[in-house]
Amino acid sequence: EPEVTQTPSHQVTQMGQEVILRCVPISNHLYFYWYRQILGQKVEFLVSFYNNEISEKSEIFDDQFSVERPDGSNFTLKIRSTKLEDSAMYFCASTSSLSSQPQHFGDGTRLSIL
Amino acid sequence: SQKIEQNSEALNIQEGKTATLTCNYTNYSPAYLQWYRQDPGRGPVFLLLIRENEKEKRKERLKVTFDTTLKQSLFHITASQPADSATYLCARPLRAGSYQLTFGKGTKLSVIP
Repeated sequence: EPEVTQTPSHQVTQMGQEVILRCVPISNHLYFYWYRQILGQKVEFLVSFYNNEISEKSEIFDDQFSVERPDGSNFTLKIRSTKLEDSAMYFCASTSSLSSQPQHFGDGTRLSIL
Repeated sequence: SQKIEQNSEALNIQEGKTATLTCNYTNYSPAYLQWYRQDPGRGPVFLLLIRENEKEKRKERLKVTFDTTLKQSLFHITASQPADSATYLCARPLRAGSYQLTFGKGTKLSVIP
């Protein structure tokens, strides 16, 4: 079964540094998402992306965050200047055309900010 | 804002019994609810979707119900097995037509042999 893949599985970064998290969504999916999960807390929506632009974003997704689909397969999340509170699991997800379709999640990137 | 609450943080159950997990929501009924399973260190895995006009949905040993009067969904696992031990998440769309899912905190199910 096709799956969403994320790299790296674990990223350790100094506070203030830029970090890019990478995702390869399922190939025929049209909608792409980033979520985060702080340890012990709920999965929180960050942003959705469709047709090469952001379609929805949460309050968490401030100017420090950006997303890009640099080519036909990758979907990236960039955090410009990381803070300690950015430490979390970051999940990429994708879905097909209807909003009610299940979202397929990758296994996440654990981001640790030192 | 639309909220999802899963009141039990943890549920322990004997192997072979039926596990019942509860999800409550606030404000208007969503068009659908989704249930996901999450294992430690892994991403959520979709299990079932139930729409507002459906009372019940089944998939193998799983059953989910949707009660718009109580603003509640119940998730049942019959003949539970140790392999069913995981955290189960309930999710709803933030608003009609939105692709943004709002998740509950999850219920950690432990099935004891």
